[in-house]
Amino acid sequence: DTGVSQNPRHKITKRGQNVTFRCDPISEHNRLYWYRQTLGQGPEFLTYFQNEAQLEKSRLLSDRFSAERPKGSFSTLEIQRTEQGDSAMYLCASSSSGRPQHFGDGTRLSIL
Amino acid sequence: KQEVTQIPAALSVPEGENLVLNCSFTDSAIYNLQWFRQDPGKGLTSLLLIQSSQREQTSGRLNASLDKSSGRSTLYIAASQPGDSATYLCGSPREGKSTFGDGTTLTVKP
Repeated sequence: DTGVSQNPRHKITKRGQNVTFRCDPISEHNRLYWYRQTLGQGPEFLTYFQNEAQLEKSRLLSDRFSAERPKGSFSTLEIQRTEQGDSAMYLCASSSSGRPQHFGDGTRLSIL
Repeated sequence: KQEVTQIPAALSVPEGENLVLNCSFTDSAIYNLQWFRQDPGKGLTSLLLIQSSQREQTSGRLNASLDKSSGRSTLYIAASQPGDSATYLCGSPREGKSTFGDGTTLTVKP
């Protein structure tokens, strides 16, 4: 399977814990995106990488959120001191310039 | 700031019916317009991408149009099937922040 891969698929954690998600994009794609989606809503943009450079961040990405793409390949999204409102589906997408974005199946985060 | 709206939020049709899903956007300087399908618990699957210089794209039973002057896009589904049941989202992807509608949940009844 050469699609976008996200791990884990589901994460359950207690409020206040830190969590980290991983995204492996399609190998030839140099652009990588993170989104958050809640039930009944469309995806909300969080951040965007071109190669290893983080070029844009949403105001939704508070100081508890950090994303990295250290070698321009896979990316991680970390949430520190999780809160109830962080419960959502976190989606990763990748693309080449001017081409459609391809999405992974997401990581569903549940905060107890 | 680009805003994307999709109406209705839900639609139920009998199998075999042709249908149109609507997408409205506020900024006519749109880069691209992309239609996606999302099944429950899954990510988004790209259906059609209309670049800003294009007016429509077709794939099988699907046809998407783009009218930048009116700020509208439509997705036409011909001869609907139960397997078409899903949430359909439109979005304005760009090299950075992308904006999506909240989707139309389609149910096709056998």
